[in-house]
Amino acid sequence: GAGVSQSPSNKVTEKGKDVELRCDPISGHTALYWYRQSLGQGLEFLIYFQGNSAPDKSGLPSDRFSAERTGGSVSTLTIQRTQQEDSAVYLCASSYGPEEQPQHFGDGTRLSIL
Amino acid sequence: AQKVTQAQTEISVVEKEDVTLDCVYETRDTTYYLFWYKQPPSGELVFLIRRNSFDEQNEISGRYSWNFQKSTSSFNFTITASQVVDSAVYFCALSDLYNFNKFYFGSGTKLNVKP
Repeated sequence: GAGVSQSPSNKVTEKGKDVELRCDPISGHTALYWYRQSLGQGLEFLIYFQGNSAPDKSGLPSDRFSAERTGGSVSTLTIQRTQQEDSAVYLCASSYGPEEQPQHFGDGTRLSIL
Repeated sequence: AQKVTQAQTEISVVEKEDVTLDCVYETRDTTYYLFWYKQPPSGELVFLIRRNSFDEQNEISGRYSWNFQKSTSSFNFTITASQVVDSAVYFCALSDLYNFNKFYFGSGTKLNVKP
C-alpha cells in the first residue's frame, strides 16, 4: 500500500521567502509528526498532530514555523521568511495513533535556502 | 531531560566483520520505549526494532541483535557478519511509553561496510 508521501522532494528558495511543505500520511493514520534533520544531525522533533486534538507545537524552533492538518489527513508545514539555517531535510511520519508504533516515515523534503 | 547519545559518529568495517553501534539514553520517566531506525543512502527511515522499558531481554533477528541494559541506560545494536547493504546511518530513539508526542533521536552513527 501507499506510504507517507511528501512533496516536493526538493525545494530551493531564496532567503526571506516563504515555503510550504506537504505531507500525505498513510490512510487511516491519526497521528502525524514533523521532524527536521539538519546536515550531520539527528532528527529534531517539530510538531505532532493527533486526531482533532490541539497539536503539540513545542518543538517548533521559532514563530516563523507553523503547521496545520486539514481534515485529519494532509498536513502542511510552513516556514515564513526563511533563513539559511532552515536548510535541512524535513521528514513527516504517521502512525495509527499515539500508542501505535512504529511511525512510518516519508522520504522527506530537502530544503535549501540560498 | 530526555536525551539520546550516539557517541560513534562514523564506523568503517570490512564485510563479514561484526560491529556494535552504541546508544546511551537519559530519561526521567520510568516507562519508555527505545527504537532503532536505519537510514540508507536513499534517505528513507526504516524501522528496525522497538523495546519497552519493562523488557530487558535481548533480542535477535537474523544478523541483528540488541542488548538493552537499564543499569547502564544503554541499548546497543550489533550487526553480525556485516554486509555492504548494511551501510547506512543508524538512529537510536527514545519515547515515553504513554505519551508518544515526541521522539528523541540520537545524532546517528554512519556505518560504512567495505567489500
